[in-house]
Amino acid sequence: NTKITQSPRYLILGRANKSLECEQHLGHNAMYWYKQSAEKPPELMFLYNLKQLIRNETVPSRFIPECPDSSKLLLHISAVDPEDSAVYFCASSLQGANTGQLYFGEGSKLTVL
Amino acid sequence: GDSVTQTEGLVTLTEGLPVMLNCTYQSTYSPFLFWYVQHLNEAPKLLLKSFTDNKRPEHQGFHATLHKSSSSFHLQKSSAQLSDSALYYCALSPPANTGANTGKLTFGHGTILRVHP
Repeated sequence: NTKITQSPRYLILGRANKSLECEQHLGHNAMYWYKQSAEKPPELMFLYNLKQLIRNETVPSRFIPECPDSSKLLLHISAVDPEDSAVYFCASSLQGANTGQLYFGEGSKLTVL
Repeated sequence: GDSVTQTEGLVTLTEGLPVMLNCTYQSTYSPFLFWYVQHLNEAPKLLLKSFTDNKRPEHQGFHATLHKSSSSFHLQKSSAQLSDSALYYCALSPPANTGANTGKLTFGHGTILRVHP
């Protein structure tokens, strides 16, 4: 799926700061960050609809989302913790937040040393 | 709150045999139900979505029927292929304008399907 691109695809960090980037070329209104830990289903972190943050799940404050425009999504991570090791998926949906029909990016795999 | 139950963690079967993966749900609303498939080291992809008019969605030989009376949305295929081996998630989304549940897609724990020759 090259219509939602994420970067970087892989990152290995100590207690550093890093930003994940996502861009969707589908013209969708809603964009999401999901975290998928090993052997678990994806868990919603944040949801933007038309650039407005409308869902902010119970996520550590070291994760800060940003939506500079309707096609781009960032996730700033500061002072990562080993429990943050996971794959972070960006996703989007066409008709806003309530369709459940998500298109996922390829994911950014974060490994915390 | 909403919940999705997938009773099998792992289903192993021989190529050519029928597939059935179970999914039941609990919701305050009349939700939409979905099946997502995730191949190894890939992102989840939407496989099927329930229709409001009780049509049976089908894709890639898979189908599922929403039974509101039993709160179920089981995934079926008549003949398994090796390429069907993957992790399958059943998920639930509330209808529009449900306030606090807006945008909340609730996933089951997933069922691994392994198809062998």
